[in-house]
Amino acid sequence: AQSVTQLGSHVSVSEGALVLLRCNYSSSVPPYLFWYVQYPNQGLQLLLKYTSAATLVKGINGFEAEFKKSETSFHLTKPSAHMSDAAEYFCAVSATNTDKLIFGTGTRLQVFP
Amino acid sequence: GAGVSQSPSNKVTEKGKDVELRCDPISGHTALYWYRQSLGQGLEFLIYFQGNSAPDKSGLPSDRFSAERTGGSVSTLTIQRTQQEDSAVYLCASRPPLAGWAGELFFGEGSRLTVL
Repeated sequence: AQSVTQLGSHVSVSEGALVLLRCNYSSSVPPYLFWYVQYPNQGLQLLLKYTSAATLVKGINGFEAEFKKSETSFHLTKPSAHMSDAAEYFCAVSATNTDKLIFGTGTRLQVFP
Repeated sequence: GAGVSQSPSNKVTEKGKDVELRCDPISGHTALYWYRQSLGQGLEFLIYFQGNSAPDKSGLPSDRFSAERTGGSVSTLTIQRTQQEDSAVYLCASRPPLAGWAGELFFGEGSRLTVL
């Protein structure tokens, strides 16, 4: 079975500061990992995904995530936060042999001027 | 439109009533998913369709919940005898045919259900 744990339901940063959103996964088979973003009153959209190619994955809007098997982590980072990054971020995992994405509980990112 | 379309966007109902939520996936997408988003609970998987069949309905919370998909396109999620704990945003997603793994899901904006 697969699962993800997102540490911190709320994260607050100042504009221009580093963004770090944590995600740890559990999977009995090689996982595929995803980060989705949900802006207020909108649906989810894909930020980036790891599918066993490069361990450092770059996504949209300057975000990136690194797959670390030894730590079972897939943390999301952005060097410099922008006000427009304020949203809810979801980490998700899928096993290579299923079609179901399992989502974490989400982390709400606030960006202060 | 080009995206996943869900209706209604908002539904307020009284406890005990039945509700139907509709999802119109992106044309050509063979797989369709329903998730429920509750405050503090993240996204909870409900059911997955491949074509018109549902290989995985393990997330349906009770027998009051059912879903169907017809013509490999539109899907309807039905909640019978609604309870207050059913209040949530119900999200639909679809994806194109892909061999093997899940790939990217394309989400609609959701149907917000409030049970009074």
